[in-house]
Amino acid sequence: QVQLVQSGGEVKKPGASVKVSCKASGYTFTRYGISWVRQAPGQGLEWMGGVTTYNGKATYAQKFQDLVTMTTDTATDTGYMELRSLRSDDTAVYYCARQSTYYYGSGRGNYLDFWGQGTLVTVSS
Amino acid sequence: DIQMTQSPSSLSTSIGNRVTITCRASQNIDTFLNWYQQKPGKVPKLLIYAASSLQSGVPSRFSGSGSGTDFTLTISSLQPEDFATYYCQHSSSSSFGPGTKVD
Repeated sequence: QVQLVQSGGEVKKPGASVKVSCKASGYTFTRYGISWVRQAPGQGLEWMGGVTTYNGKATYAQKFQDLVTMTTDTATDTGYMELRSLRSDDTAVYYCARQSTYYYGSGRGNYLDFWGQGTLVTVSS
Repeated sequence: DIQMTQSPSSLSTSIGNRVTITCRASQNIDTFLNWYQQKPGKVPKLLIYAASSLQSGVPSRFSGSGSGTDFTLTISSLQPEDFATYYCQHSSSSSFGPGTKVD
C-alpha cells in the first residue's frame, strides 16, 4: 500500500533552517511528484511547492521562492524540504503528499492523493 | 495569481441533511479543481479531483460539479463522520481555498 512516512518533529530557533524528509513506499516513486503543504495552528492549508521526481525539477509558491528547497533522492525514494531563515510564524505542521497529474484539453492539473503523517516544526527562541 | 474563495466559511447542520459548499476562482480554471476533507488533528483526504471525479474509496454521497469559476461540493445526506473542514484547491497552481467548516 502507498505510504509516505515523514521525519519527526523539530524545534528550531528563529533564523535557523529545518529539513524534513518524506520516505515513500508502495508505488513507483518516479511516476508521481511530491508536494509540500503546511498548516499553521488553527489555520488552513498552504501549498509550498512540489517536485517532479523523475527529473528533480521543483516549482515553488511565490511566497517561498527564496526560502525553500525541495529535492528528491530516487535511490531511496525520499523527498526533502528545507526551509531557511525560520520565523515564529513558520511554526506549523508540514505535510508531504503524492502528486498525481491529469490532463484536460491543453492544460494539466495535479491532485494530492496520499499524504504523509505530518511533521510539526516549532520555531521559538 | 488565481485566488480561491469558499462560502460559507462555516455552517451548522444536522445528520441526514444535504450540504452544499461553494468554491469560486478569480478567473476561469476550466475543471482544474480538487476538494479535500480534513478532520481535526488528521491528515487531509482527497475527495474529488478534476471538479467532479470521485476519488477511489470515497462514498458516493460526495459529489462535485462546476466549471469555469464556480464549483460546488455536495454531500447528499450528511453522516456523523462528515463533520470536518473542506478545502477546494486549484489543481494547476495548487493554491487552496480558505476552507469551510461543517459542524
